[in-house]
Amino acid sequence: NAGVMQNPRHLVRRRGQEARLRCSPMKGHSHVYWYRQLPEEGLKFMVYLQKENIIDESGMPKERFSAEFPKEGPSILRIQQVVRGDSAAYFCASSPRTSEETQYFGPGTRLLVL
Amino acid sequence: KQEVTQIPAALSVPEGENLVLNCSFTDSAIYNLQWFRQDPGKGLTSLLLIQSSQREQTSGRLNASLDKSSGRSTLYIAASQPGDSATYLCAASVYSGGGADGLTFGKGTHLIIQP
Repeated sequence: NAGVMQNPRHLVRRRGQEARLRCSPMKGHSHVYWYRQLPEEGLKFMVYLQKENIIDESGMPKERFSAEFPKEGPSILRIQQVVRGDSAAYFCASSPRTSEETQYFGPGTRLLVL
Repeated sequence: KQEVTQIPAALSVPEGENLVLNCSFTDSAIYNLQWFRQDPGKGLTSLLLIQSSQREQTSGRLNASLDKSSGRSTLYIAASQPGDSATYLCAASVYSGGGADGLTFGKGTHLIIQP
């Protein structure tokens, strides 16, 4: 059973471009969470999704950021018109049902905005 | 709003010592508390998960305790080894009313085990 997969592992974008980060949860997991780790900061919760539904996006910036988890395919975190402050490591986690169970983390995508 | 604090921020000890990492949280209405390990440039590895109804969990040389009433958890590492060197993260799962089951993380304890 492969773990949580994220791609790309590293992404470089220029200011104003779009960044798309993908996350494939573990097999059998239907709950996905996105977190952001800024340099020298702890991980911050961004959004929690189930298939085709956003359950909680209270940690997501109101503008430029969006997330989806379609019926088929990976979960996508999309950042439009990136700025230098978006440079961070973005981690995806999945769990079978809810976070009453262990969340399993992917290796992360390290975004660098030039 | 849940806040998680970890003390110390960094710790360096000789190999073989037993050590304790501390975590405190402000909102005792947690579902569970998890301890993770993060190696430089890598993702997180789950070490232990303690449900809110439990007092402790053990896995090998690791033991984690939970005291909801005082808002504290500890991670005990026995007979430390150089391979234990990493950043250890504590995270609490809280229902926020908005349906959030996202974890609230501390900033971590950076542990170095000297050979």
